[in-house]
Amino acid sequence: AQKVTQAQTEISVVEKEDVTLDCVYETRDTTYYLFWYKQPPSGELVFLIRRNSFDEQNEISGRYSWNFQKSTSSFNFTITASQVVDSAVYFCALRINDYKLSFGAGTTVTVRA
Amino acid sequence: NAGVMQNPRHLVRRRGQEARLRCSPMKGHSHVYWYRQLPEEGLKFMVYLQKENIIDESGMPKERFSAEFPKEGPSILRIQQVVRGDSAAYFCASSPIRGSYNEQFFGPGTRLTVL
Repeated sequence: AQKVTQAQTEISVVEKEDVTLDCVYETRDTTYYLFWYKQPPSGELVFLIRRNSFDEQNEISGRYSWNFQKSTSSFNFTITASQVVDSAVYFCALRINDYKLSFGAGTTVTVRA
Repeated sequence: NAGVMQNPRHLVRRRGQEARLRCSPMKGHSHVYWYRQLPEEGLKFMVYLQKENIIDESGMPKERFSAEFPKEGPSILRIQQVVRGDSAAYFCASSPIRGSYNEQFFGPGTRLTVL
């Protein structure tokens, strides 16, 4: 069975601080995909990134960066120089077949001005 | 190209009533997925449908819940005789194909409140 753990329930930072969200996953499959989604207060789900298990290169997109480490089964997400608009719930998800996503419980990020 | 559409966005029902949630996938998408988000939790997979077929309903409660995706029209998630524990956000996603690189695009969700 697969499982995604986001140990941090809530994180509160002041604007311009960096914030790192942890994600640890469990699966016995060698082929899998990892995702991060953002859920702003309006409630919709916004796709941020997908990573496959064979690509361990870290990725940077603007103020967002992701650190994928198979050795520790982690796929952490960092927001650099946070802004108020980054306030949201962030979900990490795992997919081992070609359609079923397993989500973590989410981390609520609050960025204070 | 319009995104995945769900309606209603908010639905209030009394215990024992029926709830019907609709999902129109993105144009050209023939695969639909329903997920449920209980308060303070992540999304949980419920069911995967293609046109006129249920592919995987392993996440659906055995009773009172059903889903369909007819040849014409939106996908419908139906909850009969709702109970307070059904209060949740229900998200629909769609994809153009099934496969390793398919991307699921999510709708805005329907928030069901059972009084």
